[in-house]
Amino acid sequence: GNSVTQMEGPVTLSEEAFLTINCTYTATGYPSLFWYVQYPGEGLQLLLKATKADDKGSNKGFEATYRKETTSFHLEKGSVQVSDSAVYFCALSDLNNQGGKLIFGQGTELSVKP
Amino acid sequence: KAGVTQTPRYLIKTRGQQVTLSCSPISGHRSVSWYQQTPGQGLQFLFEYFSETQRNKGNFPGRFSGRQFSNSRSEMNVSTLELGDSALYLCASSLEWGGSGDSTDTQYFGPGTRLTVL
Repeated sequence: GNSVTQMEGPVTLSEEAFLTINCTYTATGYPSLFWYVQYPGEGLQLLLKATKADDKGSNKGFEATYRKETTSFHLEKGSVQVSDSAVYFCALSDLNNQGGKLIFGQGTELSVKP
Repeated sequence: KAGVTQTPRYLIKTRGQQVTLSCSPISGHRSVSWYQQTPGQGLQFLFEYFSETQRNKGNFPGRFSGRQFSNSRSEMNVSTLELGDSALYLCASSLEWGGSGDSTDTQYFGPGTRLTVL
């Protein structure tokens, strides 16, 4: 079945450091790929998405490119801030015209120190 | 446009009780999905509703049930609560979630209901 694997955390960085969180997936067909972020005590917020191969999703300085050849969707940011401290989830949509579900990775906790 | 709302935000129940959680989707969204989040199992899909019909169901016991109303609002119910049901329950809404043949739809999440079973 479809699945998502994320790099394990926690990841601790200093402010202004470069961030990469690895995400790889296994899927049949052509799923959309997503990154969601969860701040403490809150639900999931959509960070970015990509719907087909070679698409790049971007938002708030974060980027991820849908790589079908390597089945990856790594999240990057050039310069992290303390306010980026949160848990990041990679997900794919297991979806057809009868609905479906999101399949999530296990989440990667990011802590950014001043 | 208002986001997904969930009520209540926090609940404390004891084993054997039942509980009902409520979700109001984004205006115009017809699909509502429910997920359970726990530290051990992560995010797991419970079920999905579209136009008052359950289209998909995850691998949870029959104690977990739900419904959707004509205004797209949804409720989920857990009967005979167990300690292991303690979790954050997240509701997500989307326009049609594949119903129109568009596989690029997006789910938007509410803040969740934190259920503690004692």
